[in-house]
Amino acid sequence: AQSVSQHNHHVILSEAASLELGCNYSYGGTVNLFWYVQYPGQHLQLLLKYFSGDPLVKGIKGFEAEFIKSKFSFNLRKPSVQWSDTAEYFCAVNILTGGGNKLTFGTGTQLKVEL
Amino acid sequence: DAGVIQSPRHEVTEMGQEVTLRCKPISGHDYLFWYRQTMMRGLELLIYFNNNVPIDDSGMPEDRFSAKMPNASFSTLKIQPSEPRDSAVYFCASSLSLPGNTIYFGEGSWLTVV
Repeated sequence: AQSVSQHNHHVILSEAASLELGCNYSYGGTVNLFWYVQYPGQHLQLLLKYFSGDPLVKGIKGFEAEFIKSKFSFNLRKPSVQWSDTAEYFCAVNILTGGGNKLTFGTGTQLKVEL
Repeated sequence: DAGVIQSPRHEVTEMGQEVTLRCKPISGHDYLFWYRQTMMRGLELLIYFNNNVPIDDSGMPEDRFSAKMPNASFSTLKIQPSEPRDSAVYFCASSLSLPGNTIYFGEGSWLTVV
């Protein structure tokens, strides 16, 4: 079965610092990749997703992610974080073979942005 | 458009009681998912349905948990009897059937079993 690893469990940054959250998955076939964000007390919302084409994907709120197939990675980046980016971030993978639409989530990275 | 609607938003119940969580997926979506989120285990997929049929329930922790989807616009997740370790946030989500389509989450049902 596929798995998703997020190596940073807790990240603390100052406002305006740059952000990179790591995500690796373990599946050699075709995948779709997602980053979801969960603000405190709220539900998960889609930040961005990769299906095919340009491996650099831009999402909402200035976030972007780069799919590097050779490294099985889909790291999330933002050049300058804001206090309002404080949230938990989840990477997720959907394997395309066999049809269906079942996401496997990583364990999440808790980001705290300090003023 | 209305998103995924869950009820109740918060529930506190005593150990041994039956708990029923409800979900209305986005209209037209043919996939429905139940996830559980805890500090210790993160987000876990419990079960998912396609066209009202359960496809994979391997994430259901034990027989005390059951889920149904009697029609395309309604699903329930039942815990009977409930235990304190069931305390978690339970999310319902839905999507269209094409692989890779965005899965949309409800706001969650925050369950506390005392």
